[in-house]
Amino acid sequence: SQTIHQWPATLVQPVGSPLSLECTVEGTSNPNLYWYRQAAGRGLQLLFYSVGIGQISSEVPQNLSASRPQDRQFILSSKKLLLSDSGFYLCAWSRLSGATGKLFFGSGTQLSVL
Amino acid sequence: SQQGEEDPQALSIQEGENATMNCSYKTSINNLQWYRQNSGRGLVHLILIRSNEREKHSGRLRVTLDTSKKSSSLLITASRAADTASYFCATESGANSKLTFGKGITLSVRP
Repeated sequence: SQTIHQWPATLVQPVGSPLSLECTVEGTSNPNLYWYRQAAGRGLQLLFYSVGIGQISSEVPQNLSASRPQDRQFILSSKKLLLSDSGFYLCAWSRLSGATGKLFFGSGTQLSVL
Repeated sequence: SQQGEEDPQALSIQEGENATMNCSYKTSINNLQWYRQNSGRGLVHLILIRSNEREKHSGRLRVTLDTSKKSSSLLITASRAADTASYFCATESGANSKLTFGKGITLSVRP
């Protein structure tokens, strides 16, 4: 069966520090991978998605970047965090290529930038 | 920008009652999906309804889709305290087929 791992669960970082959140998927190959951010009381905002190794599409201009060094690994990074980067970050994968189908989410990372 | 908008924003009901949540969207869609999120957790997929479908059932869940009105409803019958969560609708549109989520509905089921 397929599983998605996302870590850490919580993270407190000072402004200006770097960030690296990692997400891995097991039990499937060639997944579409996604990073979403959820601000308190708001819906999910798609940050990045990837349809293959090294292929990253950015949805909104921001202080963050994403990389996919391996088929089932998706990393969200920042060189210098801003206060506005605080939020709940969710990694997700989908099975269908070219069409989203349904998403399978990780358990999320609560990031607080102080 | 938000494609789907859920209504109401919050709903509080007694255990055993039915819960109806609505979602409206603006552009044509390929499909519409409903997700559930427990506090501080990831989202869990509940049901997907395609644009050429009008109604779908899954256990105590019933989803309807009216493409002429660009709206969908999620009905949870015989609610339980464990149904307490946030519920999101998400629409998939266009060739890129990315999901766009609404802001969610907070459902509280009182025991």
